Amino acid sequence: GAVVSQHPSWVICKSGTSVKIECRSLDFQATTMFWYRQFPKQSLMLMATSNEGSKATYEQGVEKDKFLINHASLTLSTLTVTSAHPEDSSFYICSARMNLQETQYFGPGTRLLVL
Amino acid sequence: SQQGEEDPQALSIQEGENATMNCSYKTSINNLQWYRQNSGRGLVHLILIRSNEREKHSGRLRVTLDTSKKSSSLLITASRAADTASYFCATPNTGGFKTIFGAGTRLFVKA
Repeated sequence: GAVVSQHPSWVICKSGTSVKIECRSLDFQATTMFWYRQFPKQSLMLMATSNEGSKATYEQGVEKDKFLINHASLTLSTLTVTSAHPEDSSFYICSARMNLQETQYFGPGTRLLVL
Repeated sequence: SQQGEEDPQALSIQEGENATMNCSYKTSINNLQWYRQNSGRGLVHLILIRSNEREKHSGRLRVTLDTSKKSSSLLITASRAADTASYFCATPNTGGFKTIFGAGTRLFVKA
């Protein structure tokens, strides 16, 4: 149990386009979902926290207009990278947590390459 | 900023040897978690240790927690080539709502 999926697993796009990444909790209800980005050989950096039905809370330095997060249901959150640029190329990982639980369950990640 | 720092940054050992990774954190916590990440993949939860626990075992994994020193260690015994991965400690932020990851230790187990 406690499986989180992400789609797509990888995406290549041209500079200036927008990319949407989906994060789904397959067998549990995720009241909270987290979005991280990870550069090669570095740790995960939290971008934002989203609770179902409310606006996401962004970490300092993360542009909320550039990284749009929607958590419309208890099993789905989306991250849209708007007007992507090469510096947005990274590994994006989501995680989901059940209500009042401490453990996060991570998706397999989405690798984004912006040309 | 990241809550935890880990050392070593990288560790290379022979199959069968034990691997020890350390994690230090800055603020008071009520739990600490260890995760593994295979190259280019998501994270797998390994173990959670609470602040009132000093040691916890799971298979070949042994985790210790010293809240007075704000540090934790992960020991992998009888390592295998399949243990090759990055290992991260993670702690909740003040308020406990977010999880903050350490820099990670890259473990390479040679067959």
